[in-house]
Amino acid sequence: GAGVSQSPSNKVTEKGKDVELRCDPISGHTALYWYRQSLGQGLEFLIYFQGNSAPDKSGLPSDRFSAERTGGSVSTLTIQRTQQEDSAVYLCASSLPPYISGTDTQYFGPGTRLTVL
Amino acid sequence: AQKVTQAQTEISVVEKEDVTLDCVYETRDTTYYLFWYKQPPSGELVFLIRRNSFDEQNEISGRYSWNFQKSTSSFNFTITASQVVDSAVYFCALSDANSNSGYALNFGKGTSLLVTP
Repeated sequence: GAGVSQSPSNKVTEKGKDVELRCDPISGHTALYWYRQSLGQGLEFLIYFQGNSAPDKSGLPSDRFSAERTGGSVSTLTIQRTQQEDSAVYLCASSLPPYISGTDTQYFGPGTRLTVL
Repeated sequence: AQKVTQAQTEISVVEKEDVTLDCVYETRDTTYYLFWYKQPPSGELVFLIRRNSFDEQNEISGRYSWNFQKSTSSFNFTITASQVVDSAVYFCALSDANSNSGYALNFGKGTSLLVTP
């Protein structure tokens, strides 16, 4: 079946512009996660959705970052007024709830490489 | 707080050599989950294995084997008879169940493995 997909695969933007990153999880996966991978910080967790709800947004790096999920499926990560330090690969992962699958294993998409000039 | 340490930044071996990737973790939780992911040059994170804290049995899958030891808080990964296709960055990760972050993964910095012919 189809895996996690993300778009765009690459995004180059100018400092100060807004960007929107999209994630399509595996069908039926109710849990969705966003991570960021950068040279300096490694892989870091940003936000988690169970269904359309994100219980805790404190992992987002700044108030310029926001995320939403609609219909229990597609999620978008929006970065406003981008800065050069936002340059990174943004990864999305999804998983079935453990009470269904017995495991919380996350499956990752290919990522969006964001470059802020 | 959770922490995952992968002390080996880079490892280089010649094809057919065995190689062990080390992972040491810290957590105060009694229930937790450990993972290994592979990130080949293409960039996508590929799930390899998941262990829960109650299951210390070692596991072997083809050329891959994992040694989980709670007494030393380690979850090491061995590749037997390495191949060029094993060249990748390998990440060890730790999670627990949290109502706010789900099963968010806390990753180590990764070990870059290069297998040369």
